[in-house]
Amino acid sequence: GAVVSQHPSWVICKSGTSVKIECRSLDFQATTMFWYRQFPKQSLMLMATSNEGSKATYEQGVEKDKFLINHASLTLSTLTVTSAHPEDSSFYICSATPAHLPKQPQHFGDGTRLSIL
Amino acid sequence: QQQVKQSPQSLIVQKGGISIINCAYENTAFDYFPWYQQFPGKGPALLIAIRPDVSEKKEGRFTISFNKSAKQFSLHIMDSQPGDSATYFCAASGGGTSYGKLTFGQGTILTVHP
Repeated sequence: GAVVSQHPSWVICKSGTSVKIECRSLDFQATTMFWYRQFPKQSLMLMATSNEGSKATYEQGVEKDKFLINHASLTLSTLTVTSAHPEDSSFYICSATPAHLPKQPQHFGDGTRLSIL
Repeated sequence: QQQVKQSPQSLIVQKGGISIINCAYENTAFDYFPWYQQFPGKGPALLIAIRPDVSEKKEGRFTISFNKSAKQFSLHIMDSQPGDSATYFCAASGGGTSYGKLTFGQGTILTVHP
């Protein structure tokens, strides 16, 4: 079945540094990927829609200059948290749908736990 | 209008019992309603989904009941097992991008006692 992989699964870094999270579709191509953020014991909140070859679409309230998204290929989208601070600590999850099967439901990665000290 | 309201927040069921989780939505443009199961430290996994042209869908022990006029849908887990203990999210999408942007409910923590 369709598999979405995220890397790293867990990252700890100092306040002020930038962190890059990768989301890969392993056995399908995805023109669209989605990035979510989930705080402990809360629901998933959509941050942005990543479009291959074009700019990402950000949800209201999400700072596009802080959360940089690049979708340079049909199998890879990256989320870079710039100048990360403790309040950015969260569980970041991506999802994707096969481009050749647009009516298939989204497949989620296993998430990246980001801890900013 | 984009909200999906989910209840209860937590649920405790005995092994073999029926777990029922409810969701309500407001946006009539929604036309795809999936349920996801999430274990700690993992991403959500699709359990079952329904479109509004049917009132019920069953897959194994999992059943979705859908009431379009009431704008409500629910997940029933029959013969609940300890391995079903997880967080369950309902979601909805639509308005021309049926499998696009998902709006999630608040989640229900299900605990099944042996």
